[in-house]
Amino acid sequence: NAGVTQTPKFRVLKTGQSMTLLCAQDMNHEYMYWYRQDPGMGLRLIHYSVGEGTTAKGEVPDGYNVSRLKKQNFLLGLESAAPSQTSVYFCASSLSPGQGGDEQFFGPGTRLTVL
Amino acid sequence: DQQVKQNSPSLSVQEGRISILNCDYTNSMFDYFLWYKKYPAEGPTFLISISSIKDKNEDGRFTVFLNKSAKHLSLHIVPSQPGDSAVYFCAASRYVKIIFGKGTRLHILP
Repeated sequence: NAGVTQTPKFRVLKTGQSMTLLCAQDMNHEYMYWYRQDPGMGLRLIHYSVGEGTTAKGEVPDGYNVSRLKKQNFLLGLESAAPSQTSVYFCASSLSPGQGGDEQFFGPGTRLTVL
Repeated sequence: DQQVKQNSPSLSVQEGRISILNCDYTNSMFDYFLWYKKYPAEGPTFLISISSIKDKNEDGRFTVFLNKSAKHLSLHIVPSQPGDSAVYFCAASRYVKIIFGKGTRLHILP
């Protein structure tokens, strides 16, 4: 049982390049989330999904797109990377909200640098 | 405007003593409040939560207290151990979304 995994772990991009971050979970969770964490800041929600085929905007969605084609996978895309997107990105998953305090299980993170 | 505030960026506590981490929130509609712990280069891990209808929840060395009238919660760790040194995030949730505070770095001193 791997929990939540993220690939890649590290990536360096040039401004304007695109990339996709992959998140996978093997806990059969309905809900999945993408966060970013910047120095001195808490985690901020980028996008989330309440089930296969659904996505919704979070707190800081601009510049990102997501897809949830399979229940176990949640992809985060950057179409044209900008230096402001330099951050650590965390994926998380959870059972439906309201059960046991909405505990989310996090992946190890992807450290992205945009030059 | 921060909905969840952790006003202490860092806290140092002697091993064996009590660690108290504080958190304030502004939105009275939150359903649950949670604490997450984060080590460097790892994702956050869930520690303990409390429903908005309760005022205390305990799990081993960890106890969370909720004061709804003051919109304040705190995490107590007793006794503090070296492995407790980490960043602690307070979070508040309503339905799907969770709002995190900026975190408090806890140092447990030998």
